Amino acid sequence: NAGVTQTPKFRILKIGQSMTLQCTQDMNHNYMYWYRQDPGMGLKLIYYSVGAGITDKGEVPNGYNVSRSTTEDFPLRLELAAPSQTSVYFCASSYGMYLAFFGQGTRLTVV
Amino acid sequence: AQTVTQSQPEMSVQEAETVTLSCTYDTSESDYYLFWYKQPPSRQMILVIRQEAYKQQNATENRFSVNFQKAAKSFSLKISDSQLGDAAMYFCACLLAGGTSYGKLTFGQGTILTVHP
Repeated sequence: NAGVTQTPKFRILKIGQSMTLQCTQDMNHNYMYWYRQDPGMGLKLIYYSVGAGITDKGEVPNGYNVSRSTTEDFPLRLELAAPSQTSVYFCASSYGMYLAFFGQGTRLTVV
Repeated sequence: AQTVTQSQPEMSVQEAETVTLSCTYDTSESDYYLFWYKQPPSRQMILVIRQEAYKQQNATENRFSVNFQKAAKSFSLKISDSQLGDAAMYFCACLLAGGTSYGKLTFGQGTILTVHP
C-alpha cells in the first residue's frame, strides 16, 4: 500500500517552461488536493477534487490546471512557469471527512 | 469565503510543560471538521487530532487535546507534558462537509513550536 505518491521529488524549470506534477493514490480516496507551501509559510490550496470528473479552484489557482479522469490520479499542470511558482507542492487525498494523507512533496524551482 | 487564522507565528515551551496553540476560523457553513496537523523538518504532514463541529465534546488524543469554542469559531490545541519530539510546525485546518464547497480543506499559516530541554 503506497499511499499518496508524488513525482518528481525535485525539479528545476526555466521561466516559460511547462510541466506536470503527478499524484497517485491507491487507497480509493474520493477527495484529492493540491497545495503549495512557500518557505516558512502555511499550505495554500491550489485545486481540489471531490471525485473523478469534478475539480474546483482553491485559494491560488492562477497559473495552474488540473484534471481528474480517474479516482487514482490528480495531476497538476503548470503551463508557463514563473519564478513566483517556486515552492514545495503537496498532494493529499482523503476518504470523506476524515484524515488527509499527504505525499512527500515536490520541490520546484523556477529560474 | 473559508479562512483559518493562526495568530502565533512561533511558540516555545519547556520540556514537560504545557503549551496552547491558537486557531480561529471563519465559515458560513454549519457542517465542517477541524484538524491539527504537525509538520516536522522532514516535511511530512502528520495528523494530530480531529474534531467534528457537531460534537460539543472536545477531542483528546493522549497528550493532545483541543478547546473547541464553536460560537467563537476558536479551535486551540493544548499539548501537555511537552516532549522534544513535539517540536515542529503545527497547522490548523478546516474541512467543509456541506454547501457548494464541500470537501474544501483550508489550512492556517502555521505555528512553529520549539521545545527547550
